[in-house]
Amino acid sequence: QSALTQPASVFGSPGQSITISCTGTSSDFGSFNLVSWYQQYPGKAPKVIIYEGSKRPSGLSNRFSGSRSGNTASLTISALQTEDEADYYCCSYAGSYVFGTGTKVTVL
Amino acid sequence: QVQLQESGPGLVKPSETLSLTCSVSGGSINSYYWSWIRQPPGKGLEWIGYVFPTGSTNYNPSLKSRVTISVDTSKNQFSLKLTSATAADTALYYCARDLSGSGWDIWGQGTLVTVSS
Repeated sequence: QSALTQPASVFGSPGQSITISCTGTSSDFGSFNLVSWYQQYPGKAPKVIIYEGSKRPSGLSNRFSGSRSGNTASLTISALQTEDEADYYCCSYAGSYVFGTGTKVTVL
Repeated sequence: QVQLQESGPGLVKPSETLSLTCSVSGGSINSYYWSWIRQPPGKGLEWIGYVFPTGSTNYNPSLKSRVTISVDTSKNQFSLKLTSATAADTALYYCARDLSGSGWDIWGQGTLVTVSS
């Protein structure tokens, strides 16, 4: 089972919106939208920001949104802030979990 | 609030068994799945497997032949054993509360395990 494919890096300016893609196969995603996204700062444990495709944990900013079309899931961060500079990972569950390759977001 | 803490040797010799324990505090280990996830230095995340309090398990197919995850509900702990360790198993190992397919909402701080002679 190979990792889901994400762009290695995405750049954006404060206030802009960026989208991170996460591509796999139909067997990676299955019939259910069990895609989650994680934000990870250097030296810290990952933190869930999206689960079940588009749901946000309680208290999380609505600047983060998730979606899926076919075999590609996407994370959009709107109104980009300097604090959003971090690594982001997607993850899908279809009988077992598979992570994406990870994307480093840089806020210019 | 629920907190997780990993513990175990930070150095393992090649071909030996890597063993870690995750202690759950602030809540019961019952009713949730519990996962181990690892991250080699400077690299991405890899799910290792999960266990339910009944002892039911599910493992990453690529590690299945070497992994055992067990649970001790009396101690509110779950454990990881990875046999025949190699340098490729050097990583930061995290334990996390598993939402049954919906990912992980609570993570430990992680513990670095180095496989080296």
